[in-house]
Amino acid sequence: GAGVSQSPSNKVTEKGKDVELRCDPISGHTALYWYRQSLGQGLEFLIYFQGNSAPDKSGLPSDRFSAERTGGSVSTLTIQRTQQEDSAVYLCASSLGIVNGLGTEAFFGQGTRLTVV
Amino acid sequence: QQQVKQSPQSLIVQKGGISIINCAYENTAFDYFPWYQQFPGKGPALLIAIRPDVSEKKEGRFTISFNKSAKQFSLHIMDSQPGDSATYFCASLGAAGNKLTFGGGTRVLVKP
Repeated sequence: GAGVSQSPSNKVTEKGKDVELRCDPISGHTALYWYRQSLGQGLEFLIYFQGNSAPDKSGLPSDRFSAERTGGSVSTLTIQRTQQEDSAVYLCASSLGIVNGLGTEAFFGQGTRLTVV
Repeated sequence: QQQVKQSPQSLIVQKGGISIINCAYENTAFDYFPWYQQFPGKGPALLIAIRPDVSEKKEGRFTISFNKSAKQFSLHIMDSQPGDSATYFCASLGAAGNKLTFGGGTRVLVKP
């Protein structure tokens, strides 16, 4: 079946504008994650959704960042009043359940490259 | 956020050589240690993973060595091939299982 799909693949925006990044997880996957990958850096955890539980927002860097997941499927990451330091690749991943090393793994999308000019 | 420290940042190896990447973690509650491979323009993909009840896991040319007492684990790529040129990330997962903590990545270049 289809993998994790992210759109757009590239986004250039002006400083101060709001942007929305979309993630379509693998069908049936209850867990969804957003990570940020800055140039030459590792993956920084942003937010995690699991089923109907309250999301883990502990990685969101500021209140300009928010995310929602509608109907337990598609997720949107919103960055308000974008800054140049927000430029990065935003990666979404989904898993069938909680990643536990016993057969449940996280599958990543190709990411959205955000450039704030 | 719990840290996972990865080294080296970059690695150049000749075709047929061995690539070795090391990671160290802090949180003893971590109980799942995957390695991800990422090609340019693609998302990371799971390569191989280990749980702390074993000291080594081998899949083809890829081997993870795990040292629980030292809180370290490493990836060995045997008989490295140009197609292995990619960025490799180690990661750790705590017992809560809700998020992977990633190392900073190692860019591996295999020269023909």
